[in-house]
Amino acid sequence: DTGVSQDPRHKITKRGQNVTFRCDPISEHNRLYWYRQTLGQGPEFLTYFQNEAQLEKSRLLSDRFSAERPKGSFSTLEIQRTEQGDSAMYLCASSSSGSWNEQFFGPGTRLTVL
Amino acid sequence: SQQGEEDPQALSIQEGENATMNCSYKTSINNLQWYRQNSGRGLVHLILIRSNEREKHSGRLRVTLDTSKKSSSLLITASRAADTASYFCATKDSGAGSYQLTFGKGTKLSVIP
Repeated sequence: DTGVSQDPRHKITKRGQNVTFRCDPISEHNRLYWYRQTLGQGPEFLTYFQNEAQLEKSRLLSDRFSAERPKGSFSTLEIQRTEQGDSAMYLCASSSSGSWNEQFFGPGTRLTVL
Repeated sequence: SQQGEEDPQALSIQEGENATMNCSYKTSINNLQWYRQNSGRGLVHLILIRSNEREKHSGRLRVTLDTSKKSSSLLITASRAADTASYFCATKDSGAGSYQLTFGKGTKLSVIP
């Protein structure tokens, strides 16, 4: 399968714990995006990488959130000191170079903070 | 923040009927994309329409774009039960260097067999 993959698919954690999610983009895509989606809403942009460089960050990405893409391939999103408001679906997408920016999404990681 | 609104928020139709969903947005865009999302799953890309295009077709899908009204519509013809899902429009701003997509809140479509 050459689509975007995410791991884990589900994560249940207690408030205050740290969690880390992984995204593997489509192999030839150099752009990678993280979005967050809460129930009944559309996805909201968190951050964007071109190769290993993090080029855009949303104001939604508080200092408890950090994302990396160390070798320009897979990416990780870490949330420190989780809060109940962090409960959401975290979606990763990738796209190739070019101005039209058709993004392909992974299945998401559903986070539940108790 | 959400770019705009999809209309209606929910739509229920019989199998075989056509379904039309509308999307409004607020800024100047480079392109507009439609996605489908089955319950609790990831998003599937359906179609992309560029800002200089007015209409695009893909199989049973027809998308229109009116940049003067900042609106788009998605028509699904001859609907099937498998089309039951939430549909989102997403816009890419025309500003240089910005690659994020801004999504609406979606239309929940139910196709009754």
